Amino acid sequence: EAEVAQSPRYKITEKSQAVAFWCDPISGHATLYWYRQILGQGPELLVQFQDESVVDDSQLPKDRFSAERLKGVDSTLKIQPAELGDSAMYLCASSPPGQHRIDFGPGTRLLVL
Amino acid sequence: AQRVTQPEKLLSVFKGAPVELKCNYSYSGSPELFWYVQYSRQRLQLLLRHISRESIKGFTADLNKGETSFHLKKPFAQEEDSAMYYCALKGGNKFYFGSGTKLNVKP
Repeated sequence: EAEVAQSPRYKITEKSQAVAFWCDPISGHATLYWYRQILGQGPELLVQFQDESVVDDSQLPKDRFSAERLKGVDSTLKIQPAELGDSAMYLCASSPPGQHRIDFGPGTRLLVL
Repeated sequence: AQRVTQPEKLLSVFKGAPVELKCNYSYSGSPELFWYVQYSRQRLQLLLRHISRESIKGFTADLNKGETSFHLKKPFAQEEDSAMYYCALKGGNKFYFGSGTKLNVKP
């Protein structure tokens, strides 16, 4: 069964450094999401793509976060510079046409020291 | 504003006891409701959708529009049901998640 892939699975960095996360959605899923999950909370949407276009980035801290999905397939989420408060799990997810469900990747756990 | 509320952070029951995980939502339109589950060391995965009216692993959930609730129920809990459970709402083309309830089923 096809799954959403993410890398790296874990990342430790120092504040003010740059970090990047990669996501490969399930083939054929046009909608791609990046969520952030802080310990003890539910996933919160950072950015949503439809193919290569951003359809919602209202909760993305654009002064330090950027996301792209250049060819409408895989996606990269970048943080520069990282801050202590960015420590969290970053989840990538994708939906098939019709969005009758959302499929999650394993996540990247980020620790900023 | 869209909101999904799961009032219980932790629910502990004994094996064989009934389980009810509560979920309340606020949404101005007609939402689609889901339950997602995350077992230890696994990714979040879909458990069930209200549209499907299905029973998965013995769990059911009924959408109550009057009370704006979508509680998850199982008549007899099993130890393997221990996990984090997240209620989710799809409004428009966006998914919103609750903060989750950890279910602990004791032997």
